[in-house]
Amino acid sequence: AQSVTQPDIHITVSEGASLELRCNYSYGATPYLFWYVQSPGQGLQLLLKYFSGDTLVQGIKGFEAEFKRSQSSFNLRKPSVHWSDAAEYFCAVGSSGGYNKLIFGAGTRLAVHP
Amino acid sequence: EAEVAQSPRYKITEKSQAVAFWCDPISGHATLYWYRQILGQGPELLVQFQDESVVDDSQLPKDRFSAERLKGVDSTLKIQPAELGDSAMYLCASSKRQGSSYEQYFGPGTRLTVT
Repeated sequence: AQSVTQPDIHITVSEGASLELRCNYSYGATPYLFWYVQSPGQGLQLLLKYFSGDTLVQGIKGFEAEFKRSQSSFNLRKPSVHWSDAAEYFCAVGSSGGYNKLIFGAGTRLAVHP
Repeated sequence: EAEVAQSPRYKITEKSQAVAFWCDPISGHATLYWYRQILGQGPELLVQFQDESVVDDSQLPKDRFSAERLKGVDSTLKIQPAELGDSAMYLCASSKRQGSSYEQYFGPGTRLTVT
């Protein structure tokens, strides 16, 4: 069965520091991988997605993620965090066929110190 | 920019009462999803529609939850009777078609509190 693990429940970084949020997945075939961001009181917004090809994908707001098949990971990175990046981040895995069901991790809450 | 609309944004109800949530997807989006997000967890799919047909309701507690999308446009999710454990955020999303390659766009959600 598909599953997603986000090992860090809560992360705090200083503004301007680099960021890496971890995501590990379990899926029998080639996965579709996603990172979403959720600000307080808001719905989820897609940051980036990986389907195939280049394993380093660029997203919105300066985020990038790298797919590593050997480690079953899809970690999210940003070189310099802004205070407005404080939010909850969700990693999700989807199937390459069928009905598009996404399986989400439990999320990582990011706090940014000035 | 087109958005997914949901109402109400907040709902407080007593245990054993009925409650309903409404979702209006982005125009032209054939696929509609209802997710439940319990505090501290990621969203979990409750039901997925393709046009007016249910294609996945495997996680929907059918003894108390029902969902419909009669004309293949807007949708209603109902809980009757509500239980304390139903307190959560209910998110609606839509996509142009079914398939993971089509981005899901999420609404702001309805936060339900059952007392």
